[in-house]
Amino acid sequence: EVQLVQSGTEVKKPGESLKISCQGSGYRFTSYWIGWVRHMPGKGLEWMGIIYPDDSDTTYNPSFEGQVTISADKSISTAYLQWSSLKASDTAMYYCARIQTSDFDYWGQGTLVTVSS
Amino acid sequence: EIVMTQSPAILSVSPGARATLSCRASQSLSNNLAWYQHKAGQAPRLLIYGASTRATGIPARFSGSGSGTEFTLTISSLQSEDIAVYYCQQRGGTFGQGTKLEIK
Repeated sequence: EVQLVQSGTEVKKPGESLKISCQGSGYRFTSYWIGWVRHMPGKGLEWMGIIYPDDSDTTYNPSFEGQVTISADKSISTAYLQWSSLKASDTAMYYCARIQTSDFDYWGQGTLVTVSS
Repeated sequence: EIVMTQSPAILSVSPGARATLSCRASQSLSNNLAWYQHKAGQAPRLLIYGASTRATGIPARFSGSGSGTEFTLTISSLQSEDIAVYYCQQRGGTFGQGTKLEIK
């Protein structure tokens, strides 16, 4: 069974750093791209970027380039999304998803990130 | 950048009635269009890929059509469990802004 399991809820202060994770199982992790999606309260889904875990080839949505870093450790079948300095506007639910051809076919359960002073 | 525009923003449909959701792309996608269902408190779910192919386990009342720049998601007979926000997505990239489907 394909599963993507994300790390738990985070509560952070502005300016802090954060790295959330997404661990895949039930399939060959290195053979599929992984995407990250933001869902801000009351807003729509936003595609942030994608990574190919086998060689860490990464493509960012221009809106997010420089704001976040996407990485992966194929030895432990895990993808990451990180911030070096969080802002209140980063408060959102973040989802990872496996990409089959160009479609997000399996999704993680989401990681809620709250940034507040 | 390809812009995806969905309409209407909110759709209110009676139980058992047909729901028709639209998605327009700013440039041709051929059939590289997916639809997702996002229920409150849950992760999004892939409904349709390749514009018209139902994903595994998706009920037959969901159907997708269209190609190029105009696409449609149809729910033939609305059930209460279909209440959600529906998004189209181009080629694994940009999402539309979503259509919120409500029960009338």
